[in-house]
Amino acid sequence: DGGITQSPKYLFRKEGQNVTLSCEQNLNHDAMYWYRQDPGQGLRLIYYSQIVNDFQKGDIAEGYSVSREKKESFPLTVTSAQKNPTAFYLCASSREGTGGSRNAEAFFGQGTRLTVV
Amino acid sequence: AQSVTQPDIHITVSEGASLELRCNYSYGATPYLFWYVQSPGQGLQLLLKYFSGDTLVQGIKGFEAEFKRSQSSFNLRKPSVHWSDAAEYFCAVGGFGGFKTIFGAGTRLFVKA
Repeated sequence: DGGITQSPKYLFRKEGQNVTLSCEQNLNHDAMYWYRQDPGQGLRLIYYSQIVNDFQKGDIAEGYSVSREKKESFPLTVTSAQKNPTAFYLCASSREGTGGSRNAEAFFGQGTRLTVV
Repeated sequence: AQSVTQPDIHITVSEGASLELRCNYSYGATPYLFWYVQSPGQGLQLLLKYFSGDTLVQGIKGFEAEFKRSQSSFNLRKPSVHWSDAAEYFCAVGGFGGFKTIFGAGTRLFVKA
């Protein structure tokens, strides 16, 4: 079955450590996104990528980094510079990220809950 | 500025009763509108979407939504709620490409027996 796989489902990080969240999709989608979800705040865009080897900052990119070396993969690194990293992280993809596309529907992974201990 | 407002943080309805979740948006152009549902600890699943045409949109799980341009609203409805509908619901508005999609803060639905 096609879909988006995020791993791990739960992740614990010590303060000062970098951690990487995995996101893989087999939907052949061009665009991929990372969102952060906090209670009562909806989803906030961290980074997005419309094509391999290219990505753009979203609304809350500080303290995060990404790479897009393969179409299928869009890992997110939460660095020690992120002051409040405890949150639920969602990865999504869509068929096209540009133009007047009707393929703006996003497909989501199951999320990774990151906790700083 | 582009925004999405879901006025109700949480709603409680009895099983079998009708449901309406409110969504108001502010967007400079013709929007793409979406409703997603999220079960606890899970990702988001698309319920329905509106791009153009008929302003009453049918979705999965018996949900529907009506786009009212004059009121800048896209309310979600279901005639008879089931206990399995208990979840958080997100309204979203977007233009070209998913990366410009803006999500509301969500409405948590509780269903009582």
